[in-house]
Amino acid sequence: AQKITQTQPGMFVQEKEAVTLDCTYDTSDPSYGLFWYKQPSSGEMIFLIYQGSYDQQNATEGRYSLNFQKARKSANLVISASQLGDSAMYFCAMRERAAGNKLTFGGGTRVLVKP
Amino acid sequence: EAGVAQSPRYKIIEKRQSVAFWCNPISGHATLYWYQQILGQGPKLLIQFQNNGVVDDSQLPKDRFSAERLKGVDSTLKIQPAKLEDSAVYLCASTAANGETQYFGPGTRLLVL
Repeated sequence: AQKITQTQPGMFVQEKEAVTLDCTYDTSDPSYGLFWYKQPSSGEMIFLIYQGSYDQQNATEGRYSLNFQKARKSANLVISASQLGDSAMYFCAMRERAAGNKLTFGGGTRVLVKP
Repeated sequence: EAGVAQSPRYKIIEKRQSVAFWCNPISGHATLYWYQQILGQGPKLLIQFQNNGVVDDSQLPKDRFSAERLKGVDSTLKIQPAKLEDSAVYLCASTAANGETQYFGPGTRLLVL
């Protein structure tokens, strides 16, 4: 079974609107972390936001927020007030403590922001 | 604070040739990772170092790939001989000793012809 699933290969969003990127995960490790990274066409992976499995509140970082639903094993990224510079690939990743902290990535979602 | 540095940024070689990539992690970061990202996919871990020791190399094709981190700082990843399917972006990342977040370098884009 896939450990990280991103079901949206690509999506368009209008500038200044909000967009939600889906991510579901599969683990039996009680201690894990979920990450979102942005990868623009330049290729660098840019860290956006982190949610730990024991965190009680959903993580927020500026225009990024993570909708963490532990029982459903989902960790969706919400980008508010989209900007043209948000056009990029977005990857969800999971770190499992028992797996030595390596990251397992999903297949990514390409976002294109329209002016 | 300087980020993770990688070189070269781009490399084109013919199959059966050798190639080496270099990574300098963020200063003080004990853990270093090499990932392979094939076009259209998410990155996949090749090898993880803790200081100069290997923590996980279970997904490294050891018949052709090798990596070292001799002084526990910078690292090199080598492919010898390269195959067409090695065409990918090779990403280096690092984490502080008790840190959660991996910070990535700009990557090296390899094209094997």
